[in-house]
Amino acid sequence: DAKTTQPNSMESNEEEPVHLPCNHSTISGTDYIHWYRQLPSQGPEYVIHGLTSNVNNRMASLAIAEDRKSSTLILHRATLRDAAVYYCILRDLNYGQNFVFGPGTRLSVLP
Amino acid sequence: EPEVTQTPSHQVTQMGQEVILRCVPISNHLYFYWYRQILGQKVEFLVSFYNNEISEKSEIFDDQFSVERPDGSNFTLKIRSTKLEDSAMYFCASIKGLAGGETQYFGPGTRLLVL
Repeated sequence: DAKTTQPNSMESNEEEPVHLPCNHSTISGTDYIHWYRQLPSQGPEYVIHGLTSNVNNRMASLAIAEDRKSSTLILHRATLRDAAVYYCILRDLNYGQNFVFGPGTRLSVLP
Repeated sequence: EPEVTQTPSHQVTQMGQEVILRCVPISNHLYFYWYRQILGQKVEFLVSFYNNEISEKSEIFDDQFSVERPDGSNFTLKIRSTKLEDSAMYFCASIKGLAGGETQYFGPGTRLLVL
């Protein structure tokens, strides 16, 4: 699996937008970019994924750089419940077995 | 919304004992996984299972571990003789297909403590 790098931790104030970056400079043309998060004492939870175009869903937005070597997960208004570890994971379009988790970014949300 | 369920939520066992962790994947999913997460560390892949056989396993998944789908709904992870270092959260996951855009759904986990 291609590797991703993320900051170890980030902080945000409640109700403000949060931009979580991910670098994946060795991404291949068939890799999907997935974001998961893990709330304290819970299993990983799907957030969003994309291939080339920016994506929006009810949880977040995913902005993918034109060269696809980086992406940004955007939480439009952080809440206390968004405090979690966020993982950026690449999965090949044609073949994907397990998800390879890195250390992720620990997001703290301040009231 | 369909979800992956796991039982028990917590299990305490003595070193050397056998444990079985149970999972019910989402009903129309075809691929099943076990991951583990040692406290404070990252989520690690153990094994994937498809069509009643192991399709991939990690170095962690040694002879002490086995998986089974005993019926049409359950997926189990057995640890034959637990060691202290098996203490971790164990997550089951399932996915409908293997295309890169498919979403893997995780269960809430079983916290295993080996004394």
